[in-house]
Amino acid sequence: NAGVTQTPKFQVLKTGQSMTLQCAQDMNHEYMSWYRQDPGMGLRLIHYSVGAGITDQGEVPNGYNVSRSTTEDFPLRLLSAAPSQTSVYFCASSYNAGYKETQYFGPGTRLLVL
Amino acid sequence: RKEVEQDPGPFNVPEGATVAFNCTYSNSASQSFFWYRQDCRKEPKLLMSVYSSGNEDGRFTAQLNRASQYISLLIRDSKLSDSATYLCVVNAYNQGGKLIFGQGTELSVKP
Repeated sequence: NAGVTQTPKFQVLKTGQSMTLQCAQDMNHEYMSWYRQDPGMGLRLIHYSVGAGITDQGEVPNGYNVSRSTTEDFPLRLLSAAPSQTSVYFCASSYNAGYKETQYFGPGTRLLVL
Repeated sequence: RKEVEQDPGPFNVPEGATVAFNCTYSNSASQSFFWYRQDCRKEPKLLMSVYSSGNEDGRFTAQLNRASQYISLLIRDSKLSDSATYLCVVNAYNQGGKLIFGQGTELSVKP
């Protein structure tokens, strides 16, 4: 199993550009989520999905969209990039949304918005 | 006030030392507690879950005090390979899979 994969690893955008961060998992996990990590702060939840076709907002959803058309994929779309979105983005998955479930993280996407 | 707060770092210790990290959480509905490890801005990886009675995994011991809303991680006989950032993570029963992370405590183990 590849686990959780993310592409791209690095990306530089100009303010106002849009892009999609890809996330895929091959563990047949129902629950997937996106976090961002900024210096001096813990990871913060952007959006999450408890199964195909179901998504919901996390703590910091503004400026981001998600969709979940398949169990395997959970892309994160930046609508109009802003410098405040410069961050490291991690995708995570777990078997289900149970509060005791271990979550597995992808390697991250490092995004710089100029 | 942040929902999960950790000791500020970094902790610089010699090999073989014992080091303890503390963490407090503000949501009394929190039900699950974890320590994750993160190396050099790579992805976080689960180090251990924290159980009510406390639990041990080799050189690592985790403790939970629900009354004080406090979690700790003790590392004995520190190794160079323990150098990393340790993340305190909590989850509330009514919050599904939403994890709340502390800001992390950096540990550097020196020869």
